[in-house]
Amino acid sequence: GAVVSQHPSWVICKSGTSVKIECRSLDFQATTMFWYRQFPKQSLMLMATSNEGSKATYEQGVEKDKFLINHASLTLSTLTVTSAHPEDSSFYICSAEAGDPWQYFGPGTRLTVT
Amino acid sequence: QQPVQSPQAVILREGEDAVINCSSSKALYSVHWYRQKHGEAPVFLMILLKGGEQKGHEKISASFNEKKQQSSLYLTASQLSYSGTYFCGTANDYKLSFGAGTTVTVRA
Repeated sequence: GAVVSQHPSWVICKSGTSVKIECRSLDFQATTMFWYRQFPKQSLMLMATSNEGSKATYEQGVEKDKFLINHASLTLSTLTVTSAHPEDSSFYICSAEAGDPWQYFGPGTRLTVT
Repeated sequence: QQPVQSPQAVILREGEDAVINCSSSKALYSVHWYRQKHGEAPVFLMILLKGGEQKGHEKISASFNEKKQQSSLYLTASQLSYSGTYFCGTANDYKLSFGAGTTVTVRA
């Protein structure tokens, strides 16, 4: 099956700094990738849809200047959390479509902002 | 708009059955089911499409009632590996909206 990887798997950063999370499709090309955020014991909330070669589409309430998404190639999308604050601490998960009508999820990145 | 899942949690003994329900206030074209284990990413279980088509990886069955805008996931003869949080997702265009999840605990 299709494999999606994320890096790093966990990161701790200080308040005010920026953090970049990478999402890669390892054995397929993904024109569309999705970024989700999940708080403890809650559901996955779609943050944005990342399209290769074009601007990401953000969900209502998600600050595009704070969560920068770049989909530079068919196998890589990045999410940069700028000027992170403790309330940004969460589990960030990316997913991609590989020609099937469902999504393949990455293993997630746990971000802790101190 | 998020679909509504019920129950919130269920505890089973190995071999017992359970049903997880998912309902939407909007017309459904497809329903996706995923299972997530603690600290891990969700894993695809099944997709049910309008018109009756189903595709899934595992031996877990589900139903899709388009008229009632509902789907149910059936855990039959549960195994310890079935433990986790089950999410249903409803598709709107290309985007998925997930329910709040149902936590399933299977005990020996």
